[in-house]
Amino acid sequence: EAQVTQNPRYLITVTGKKLTVTCSQNMNHEYMSWYRQDPGLGLRQIYYSMNVEVTDKGDVPEGYKVSRKEKRNFPLILESPSPNQTSLYFCASSILAGGNGELFFGEGSRLTVL
Amino acid sequence: GESVGLHLPTLSVQEGDNSIINCAYSNSASDYFIWYKQESGKGPQFIIDIRSNMDKRQGQRVTVLLNKTVKHLSLQIAATQPGDSAVYFCAENYGGSQGNLIFGKGTKLSVKP
Repeated sequence: EAQVTQNPRYLITVTGKKLTVTCSQNMNHEYMSWYRQDPGLGLRQIYYSMNVEVTDKGDVPEGYKVSRKEKRNFPLILESPSPNQTSLYFCASSILAGGNGELFFGEGSRLTVL
Repeated sequence: GESVGLHLPTLSVQEGDNSIINCAYSNSASDYFIWYKQESGKGPQFIIDIRSNMDKRQGQRVTVLLNKTVKHLSLQIAATQPGDSAVYFCAENYGGSQGNLIFGKGTKLSVKP
């Protein structure tokens, strides 16, 4: 089954404790992206990747890092999480780079930073 | 998830009626538009897309209309069903250097049985 898989789905952590949210897609997509979703603000892009070893900042990259060492994986790293990073996070992938095609989304990862 | 629906415009329709969800986009240079549906606790799902060289596109029970003059996009759902209850987002691709999608804030559709 074609899918985007995120882990963990739910996480409660404390300020400053490094964490990684993994994302994996099995569709051989070149384009991958991370979004956060907050009430009243909609989906905002954090980082995206056009291909392996190519990553770029989105609209709200501060406090986040990503890597794209393999085509299928695109982890989101919070080196020192803060309460304002409490949010619902979505990973997405697309066969066409630059958002010119259907984005497939994961089920989301709800993160709470205390 | 469940908090996505807070603070959103809400459209309430009777089961079997047609629904029209509207979206104003921001950039006149945008050349590609998509509608997504997000059910509670799930990620957004693609519904239908349209390119700027078209003004109408139809899918199964859904139609997207594009009015470039006033930068307006609408999603029409025919014979709305309880399973259509969700938050609906429009997204635009303005083809900038990033060429990425900008999402609207969404509209919550509630279907009354």
